[in-house]
Amino acid sequence: NAGVTQTPKFQVLKTGQSMTLQCAQDMNHNSMYWYRQDPGMGLRLIYYSASEGTTDKGEVPNGYNVSRLNKREFSLRLESAAPSQTSVYFCASMGGDRGHQPQHFGDGTRLSIL
Amino acid sequence: GENVEQHPSTLSVQEGDSAVIKCTYSDSASNYFPWYKQELGKRPQLIIDIRSNVGEKKDQRIAVTLNKTAKHFSLHITETQPEDSAVYFCAANSGTYKYIFGTGTRLKVLA
Repeated sequence: NAGVTQTPKFQVLKTGQSMTLQCAQDMNHNSMYWYRQDPGMGLRLIYYSASEGTTDKGEVPNGYNVSRLNKREFSLRLESAAPSQTSVYFCASMGGDRGHQPQHFGDGTRLSIL
Repeated sequence: GENVEQHPSTLSVQEGDSAVIKCTYSDSASNYFPWYKQELGKRPQLIIDIRSNVGEKKDQRIAVTLNKTAKHFSLHITETQPEDSAVYFCAANSGTYKYIFGTGTRLKVLA
């Protein structure tokens, strides 16, 4: 039981390149999330998917797109990377369908954009 | 938009002393408040949570209190140990599926 798995763990991109961050969970959770973590700013929600087939914007969606491929997988895409998107990206999942549940996080992807 | 404020941003305590971290939320509909601990280079992990139908919850050396009227909740760690050193985040739900996180508190326990 791996929980939430993110790939890759590290990536360096040049400005303007595109990239997809992958996330998969094996806990049969309905909801999945993408956050970015920057020093002194906590975890900020980029996009989330309350259930398979739905996605919604969070606090900082600009410059990102997401795909809920199936119940297990939720990917985050940077179409044209910018230095301001240098960050640590965390995927999370949550069980149940009424909220009020803890989120389970992956190990993160450390992304640097030059 | 909805907001969660967390204080202090850094906290240093002597080993064995208590540590208190405070959070204030703005969404009056929030009813679930988890706390996460994040060690350096690691993922955030849930350490305790509280729902709005209770005012306090304890788990060994960790406790959380909730004041719905004032819209604030606090994390209390007693008898701190060096392994408690980490960054702690509070959060509050906003609607059924979204969570708003505080900006974190870096706790240092001095041996």
